[in-house]
Amino acid sequence: AQSVSQHNHHVILSEAASLELGCNYSYGGTVNLFWYVQYPGQHLQLLLKYFSGDPLVKGIKGFEAEFIKSKFSFNLRKPSVQWSDTAEYFCAVYNAGNNRKLIWGLGTSLAVNP
Amino acid sequence: ETGVTQTPRHLVMGMTNKKSLKCEQHLGHNAMYWYKQSAKKPLELMFVYNFKEQTENNSVPSRFSPECPNSSHLFLHLHTLQPEDSALYLCASSQGPHIAGGGNIQYFGAGTRLSVL
Repeated sequence: AQSVSQHNHHVILSEAASLELGCNYSYGGTVNLFWYVQYPGQHLQLLLKYFSGDPLVKGIKGFEAEFIKSKFSFNLRKPSVQWSDTAEYFCAVYNAGNNRKLIWGLGTSLAVNP
Repeated sequence: ETGVTQTPRHLVMGMTNKKSLKCEQHLGHNAMYWYKQSAKKPLELMFVYNFKEQTENNSVPSRFSPECPNSSHLFLHLHTLQPEDSALYLCASSQGPHIAGGGNIQYFGAGTRLSVL
């Protein structure tokens, strides 16, 4: 079965530290890739997406992610986190091939200490 | 404000009650979704509607009954729920027709936190 793995379930960082959250998926065909973020008490919202083109995509609030097809990965990065980045981060992968499904990861809870 | 409004924000109900969750989107989207978000589980897609027509039902128990009277409104009718149905229920919408799972950007409401006693 297709799956999306987010290896870090809970991450705690200090402000100004660098962030990298892992996302790996099991499907080998054409994919659309998403990172969504859920701030405390708020709705899920899109952080960034990859459909095609440059595998390094920029999102809101200084986040970026790199699609590495050979590694089936779409890791999220930010060079310097802020307290306001404290949130739950979800990776989602859409299988654009025969079995068109959007599969979600379990999420990573990020806490940034001021 | 996402343009997707869910009411109520919180709901406590007994197993014999009947209640409804409401979702309204002001984005002019054509596809709407119901998700269940439980702790330590991936987001579970429950139902999908395209242009008011249900196009996906992911083996959801019949005690959950969706209704989509138009492209802007989506309801989830609840009856004889079980305690394990306690969760955050999210509504989302997206532009254009949804294709079995969706490759479009989805816009989410804040959710309804449901507790079944």
